[in-house]
Amino acid sequence: AQKITQTQPGMFVQEKEAVTLDCTYDTSDQSYGLFWYKQPSSGEMIFLIYQGSYDEQNATEGRYSLNFQKARKSANLVISASQLGDSAMYFCAMRHTGFQKLVFGTGTRLLVSP
Amino acid sequence: EPEVTQTPSHQVTQMGQEVILRCVPISNHLYFYWYRQILGQKVEFLVSFYNNEISEKSEIFDDQFSVERPDGSNFTLKIRSTKLEDSAMYFCASKGPGAGNTIYFGEGSWLTVV
Repeated sequence: AQKITQTQPGMFVQEKEAVTLDCTYDTSDQSYGLFWYKQPSSGEMIFLIYQGSYDEQNATEGRYSLNFQKARKSANLVISASQLGDSAMYFCAMRHTGFQKLVFGTGTRLLVSP
Repeated sequence: EPEVTQTPSHQVTQMGQEVILRCVPISNHLYFYWYRQILGQKVEFLVSFYNNEISEKSEIFDDQFSVERPDGSNFTLKIRSTKLEDSAMYFCASKGPGAGNTIYFGEGSWLTVV
């Protein structure tokens, strides 16, 4: 069964610093995708970044990068140069190729301070 | 940028009433989903829909729930007889063709059952 674990219920970071949000996953399949979503206090789910299990390079999207370590089954999100607007819940999720559903972790609440 | 739109953004309904939540997925997408998030909890998969039929559903998606794509643009979730525990944020999502395409979420519909 698929499982996503986010062990950090909350994280604090100062503006302009980098922060890493942890995500580990459990699967016996070889083909899967990993996602990170941001959920601000307004409630919407905003896609940030995607990593395929066969992608050899770590995904990057602007200030977001995904530190993908397949052997360790981890897919940590790195946010560089944090901004006040980055304060939100962050969810890691996994989808098996061929299956449609996303399985979400419990989320990490990030607070960026001035 | 194309987006998934959902209506209503908020709805309060009495227990036992029927509710229909509406979604307009991104126009060239082929896979459609409903997820829900009970306040303070993680996002849970409800159902996926492809080629005019349900492709996968969770244990949560019991006989009280149904989905429909009544025309070429809308995708609806119906809850026949709402219960207090149906109070949650309901997210519609869609995905384009291909194995790696991102799943995009709408802004959600808050449902409160009283």
